[in-house]
Amino acid sequence: GDSVTQMEGPVTLSEEAFLTINCTYTATGYPSLFWYVQYPGEGLQLLLKATKADDKGSNKGFEATYRKETTSFHLEKGSVQVSDSAVYFCALRYKGGGNKLTFGTGTQLKVEL
Amino acid sequence: SQTIHQWPATLVQPVGSPLSLECTVEGTSNPNLYWYRQAAGRGLQLLFYSIGIDQISSEVPQNLSASRPQDRQFILSSKKLLLSDSGFYLCAWSVWATRDSPLHFGNGTRLTVT
Repeated sequence: GDSVTQMEGPVTLSEEAFLTINCTYTATGYPSLFWYVQYPGEGLQLLLKATKADDKGSNKGFEATYRKETTSFHLEKGSVQVSDSAVYFCALRYKGGGNKLTFGTGTQLKVEL
Repeated sequence: SQTIHQWPATLVQPVGSPLSLECTVEGTSNPNLYWYRQAAGRGLQLLFYSIGIDQISSEVPQNLSASRPQDRQFILSSKKLLLSDSGFYLCAWSVWATRDSPLHFGNGTRLTVT
């Protein structure tokens, strides 16, 4: 079945460090890919998305590129801030079957001064 | 614009008591609706999804049920809560039948079963 694998956390970085959170997926077709962010005590917010191979999603300084050949969608940011501390979820979605999202287990990011 | 409301925000219930969590969406018609659960330290598990009134699919057999009495209302219920039902419950909606439209989440309900 479809699945998403994320690197385990927590990831702890100093402010202004470079961030990479790895995400790979297993799917039988061509899903859309998403990154969601969850701040403490809140629901999930869409961070960025990509709908086909080689698409790059970007938002708030975060980027991720849909790599079909490596089945990956790694999240990157050049310079993290304390306010980026949150849990990040990678997810995939197909049309049909309710268009439901399949999530990875989430990666907690802690950014320190 | 579309908004999603989920309540209550927190809930503490004893084992064996009933449960009712409600979610409503405004500003859109015929949305897909979803219930997810996030257990402590774990990822998100899809519980139910609905593509229309009285059309509900269950993803995981469990102690919970869902109903959709109106187009934009989605209710998660249990007749008798278990300790293992504790977690963070998230309701979400999306545009129907569009692969690349994202899910939009409510702020969640933190349920503690004691």
